Amino acid sequence: SAVISQKPSRDICQRGTSLTIQCQVDSQVTMMFWYRQQPGQSLTLIATANQGSEATYESGFVIDKFPISRPNLTFSTLTVSNMSPEDSSIYLCSVEGFFGPGTRLTVL
Amino acid sequence: AQSVAQPEDQVNVAEGNPLTVKCTYSVSGNPYLFWYVQYPNRGLQFLLKYITGDNLVKGSYGFEAEFNKSQTSFHLKRPSALVSDSALYFCAVRVRGDSWGKFQFGAGTQVVVTP
Repeated sequence: SAVISQKPSRDICQRGTSLTIQCQVDSQVTMMFWYRQQPGQSLTLIATANQGSEATYESGFVIDKFPISRPNLTFSTLTVSNMSPEDSSIYLCSVEGFFGPGTRLTVL
Repeated sequence: AQSVAQPEDQVNVAEGNPLTVKCTYSVSGNPYLFWYVQYPNRGLQFLLKYITGDNLVKGSYGFEAEFNKSQTSFHLKRPSALVSDSALYFCAVRVRGDSWGKFQFGAGTQVVVTP
């Protein structure tokens, strides 16, 4: 199974700012996935990140709000832009059915 | 469209008793089904998956799940629950047509095991 790490593990941010979350995998993978878990809720897929092409976003998620980078086969970033308290969630990176430890974001 | 349902928000069980967490699915074709566990302030941990083959799937930490095609169910089981099994459990189905990683998750079931 892939070993997935995320940075930061948690953060508290102010409304209107942006946060970039990093995801590092210990092996090369074609696709990386970003999920969101809102408080007390299940996981929802935000987007699929392919190396060398633009990310594919799920319904309800847009690139301006959640820009994604995928510079190589082991790394991806998700940015949460212009944050509001509704963005307070755990954001998880996933590869081949395995999940990173998550980034717990609180927006004040 | 693929989907899974977890009919119970919470399951309470005494330590040492059998634990069952229910999941039903709705998919076209053969389902790829998964169970994950989430401990407080932790990420999602993979428990087991059903792709094909034996209907009884054995996974991590002594968990198993039974795939039942006629009942469209994939219930998670543990013969003897431990207090440390208290956590949030998610059933998930892989979305067909995509590579590994695109899942539809159930709402989750909170398991509480009392000493």
